[in-house]
Amino acid sequence: DGGITQSPKYLFRKEGQNVTLSCEQNLNHDAMYWYRQDPGQGLRLIYYSQIVNDFQKGDIAEGYSVSREKKESFPLTVTSAQKNPTAFYLCASSKNPDEQYFGPGTRLTVT
Amino acid sequence: AQSVSQHNHHVILSEAASLELGCNYSYGGTVNLFWYVQYPGQHLQLLLKYFSGDPLVKGIKGFEAEFIKSKFSFNLRKPSVQWSDTAEYFCAVNVNFNKFYFGSGTKLNVKP
Repeated sequence: DGGITQSPKYLFRKEGQNVTLSCEQNLNHDAMYWYRQDPGQGLRLIYYSQIVNDFQKGDIAEGYSVSREKKESFPLTVTSAQKNPTAFYLCASSKNPDEQYFGPGTRLTVT
Repeated sequence: AQSVSQHNHHVILSEAASLELGCNYSYGGTVNLFWYVQYPGQHLQLLLKYFSGDPLVKGIKGFEAEFIKSKFSFNLRKPSVQWSDTAEYFCAVNVNFNKFYFGSGTKLNVKP
């Protein structure tokens, strides 16, 4: 089955620790995206990548980092510099500018 | 500021009522427009999209949307909602074949 996988579904971390969220796609899409979803705020773009080895900051990139070494993979690291990291994180891919396909999301809780 | 606005944050309807959810955007340039739905516990999925051509587009599950360029709007409609339409709905805009921007979402609660 083609699709996007995100792991883990739930993640708990202590404040001050970096954490990496996984996103893999087998849809052969060039573009991949990371969003943060908070209640009442919709989806806000963290980072996106239109091609391997290239990525751009979205609207809320501070405190996050990404890499795109393979077409299939776009991991997101939430660093200790992110002031409010507890959130629901969604990964997506697309044949830009066509529709995006979304993963199931990772709920990160930092205490 | 550039944005995608969804004016209705929470809508409550009875089954068989008609639905219209507003979406306005403020981006210039080439835009492609989308409506996504997130059913409880499920992935975001595409309802419908507009790239060009007929401004009235039909999507899955009886949904349709109309693109009105002069009003920068892309409102979602359904003539008769069902309990199974209870979900959160997001309007999205792709600008200049680059980034996607999402509205804040509308939670629809359909009472049986």
